[in-house]
Amino acid sequence: EVQLVESGGVVVQPGGSLRLSCAASGFTFTDCTMHWVRQAPGKGLEWVSLINWDGTSTYYGDSVKGRFTISRDNSKNSLYLQMNSLRTEDTALYYCAKEGRGDYGASFDYWGQGTLVTVSS
Amino acid sequence: QSALTQPPSASGSPGQSVTISCTGTSSDVGRYNYVSWYQQYPGKAPKLMIYGVSKRPSGVPDRFSGSKSGNTASLTVSGLQAEDEADYYCSSYEGGNNGRVFGGGTKLTVL
Repeated sequence: EVQLVESGGVVVQPGGSLRLSCAASGFTFTDCTMHWVRQAPGKGLEWVSLINWDGTSTYYGDSVKGRFTISRDNSKNSLYLQMNSLRTEDTALYYCAKEGRGDYGASFDYWGQGTLVTVSS
Repeated sequence: QSALTQPPSASGSPGQSVTISCTGTSSDVGRYNYVSWYQQYPGKAPKLMIYGVSKRPSGVPDRFSGSKSGNTASLTVSGLQAEDEADYYCSSYEGGNNGRVFGGGTKLTVL
């Protein structure tokens, strides 16, 4: 059974930093592109970032480019999101999502339950 | 990156069909067959319902179908059931920065 478990969400002040983690199990982690997707309270989904299977390619949404860094440790089956220079508008539930392979390409076939980041003074 | 455009709400009676549109541009929906749809219940994580424009993952009822014409993709739910009441989001591959883009979401109400 595929499992994605996020952690690290807390209340942080504007300008602060935070590192989110996602522990993956139930599939071959090294085969998969992984994503972070966020959802502000009462709002829609927003794609944040992706990293390819070996970490050599990363991409970011415009709203987080230059502030967030995605990374992975394949030896630990873990995905990370380093968040710097946090703003109040970064307040959201952050989901870790697995990208489908083959025909499923570019879709998110499994999601975690999310970890809540609140940026507030 | 501009979000894909979805109607904020849609509704239908049990047994009826409803179609939700998702309009993008020639740089995303119009160019690639990488449109997917997600169902989300309140307080729950999204669930993949359609991938590759029109393919259904195992376990998704065949009442759910997807299509695309030009820059607009569509999700049709046939034979509406009470359990279909949820938020639905479309997503597309965006070739410009190899990223992904979501629609704003549509709240489906079963009357």
